[in-house]
Amino acid sequence: GENVEQHPSTLSVQEGDSAVIKCTYSDSASNYFPWYKQELGKRPQLIIDIRSNVGEKKDQRIAVTLNKTAKHFSLHITETQPEDSAVYFCAALYNFNKFYFGSGTKLNVKP
Amino acid sequence: NAGVTQTPKFQVLKTGQSMTLQCAQDMNHNSMYWYRQDPGMGLRLIYYSASEGTTDKGEVPNGYNVSRLNKREFSLRLESAAPSQTSVYFCASRGTGKTYEQYFGPGTRLTVT
Repeated sequence: GENVEQHPSTLSVQEGDSAVIKCTYSDSASNYFPWYKQELGKRPQLIIDIRSNVGEKKDQRIAVTLNKTAKHFSLHITETQPEDSAVYFCAALYNFNKFYFGSGTKLNVKP
Repeated sequence: NAGVTQTPKFQVLKTGQSMTLQCAQDMNHNSMYWYRQDPGMGLRLIYYSASEGTTDKGEVPNGYNVSRLNKREFSLRLESAAPSQTSVYFCASRGTGKTYEQYFGPGTRLTVT
C-alpha cells in the first residue's frame, strides 16, 4: 500500500508571509497528488493538484512542487491572508483507485 | 446539480445498534468512496467502488460493509456499532479515465455511546 506523511502538524505565519507544507509518500506507483483545504465543520475542498509527469504547478498564490526521485511534494502559499487559515491535507492516489491522506496541517494566519 | 449528497447529517447510536449511511451522486461518476475522519487525523479510506457492481477494501474496513446499489448510490453499513466508530464519515465520487479529482459529500457526524 501507500503511506503519506505530512509536516508540520501546525503552522503559524504572519499575514503576508509564505507558508510551506511538505508531504512524503512511500510507493513510487502513486501518480496523482492533490491538496485539500478543510474549514471547520466542512468537507475537504480541492485547491490544487499535480500529476506525476509534472514537476510544478501554480494557481495564483498557490503552487505545488513534486520531486518523484525523493518521493515528496510540497504546497506553497504566498502572500497569506487570514482566510487561508484552515487545515490542509495532502493525498496520494495509489494504484489508480485508492487515495491515501496525510494527517493534516493546521495553518493559522495572524492578521 | 446537487453533486454528492449524504444522509443523515448527524446520528447518535448505542453500542451494538446498526445503521446505514446513504450516499448519492448525480455526476455520472464511476468511482465512489467512503472515508472516516477522526479528530486530528486525515481521512482514511474504508471502502471504495471503482464501478457499479464492484467494491473493494480500503485501509480500515473492519466493522463495515458497503453496497453499490447502482451507479448513483453507495451505502455504508455498520452492523454492530462500537464507540471506536465514532467519527465523521465522508462519501466521495470521482469520474473516469484521466479525471482524478474527487468530489466530497458534506459528511455524517456519527457518535456511538
